[in-house]
Amino acid sequence: EVHLLESGGGLVQPGGSLRLSCAASGFTFSYYAMSWVRQAPGRGLDWVSIICDNGGCTYYGDSVKGRFIISRDNSWNTLYLQMNNLRAEDTALYYCVKGVPVAGKTTHFDYWGQGVQVTVSS
Amino acid sequence: EIVLTQSPVTLSLSPGERATLFCRTSQSASSPVAWYQHKPGQAPRLLIYGASTRAPGIPARFSGSGSGTDFTLTISSLEPEDFAVYYCQQRTDWPLWTFGQGTKVEIK
Repeated sequence: EVHLLESGGGLVQPGGSLRLSCAASGFTFSYYAMSWVRQAPGRGLDWVSIICDNGGCTYYGDSVKGRFIISRDNSWNTLYLQMNNLRAEDTALYYCVKGVPVAGKTTHFDYWGQGVQVTVSS
Repeated sequence: EIVLTQSPVTLSLSPGERATLFCRTSQSASSPVAWYQHKPGQAPRLLIYGASTRAPGIPARFSGSGSGTDFTLTISSLEPEDFAVYYCQQRTDWPLWTFGQGTKVEIK
């Protein structure tokens, strides 16, 4: 059974940093792209970042580009999101998500973690 | 930038009724849409991918259709556990993975 367990969230002041982790189990982690998707209070789902199966490529949404860094450790089946220069608008529930490849491209996501809360406030 | 627009924003129906949800993309993209169900306090759940393929374990009352820029999620007969928010999603040229704003299916 696939499990994705996020950790590392919390309350941080504007301009601060946090590092989220996602421990994956139940599948061959190194075979799949992994992503972060967030949901701000009262808002819909918002794609944040994705990393290729071998870590060789990364992509970011415009709102986090230059501030967030996605990485993974395939030896430890763990996904990370380093969040720097945090802003109030980054306040959200952050989900760790497993990508599904179709014809070599990740087109959608089949498993989601329960999410970890990040609150940016002074 | 491709935008996914879902309609209606809210759908008020009774158990047993048919629900039809729409997702329109601002441009025709190479990838068909996926649909997710999201309940408060739970992780989103993949329902449909490739516009019309049910994910493993998803009941047959959920079906998807459409192509090009117009996609539909249909719930043939609403069960009490189906009241939730539904999102469409598509891989696009940019911003790469885009979600619609969601349709809330609520009990009438």
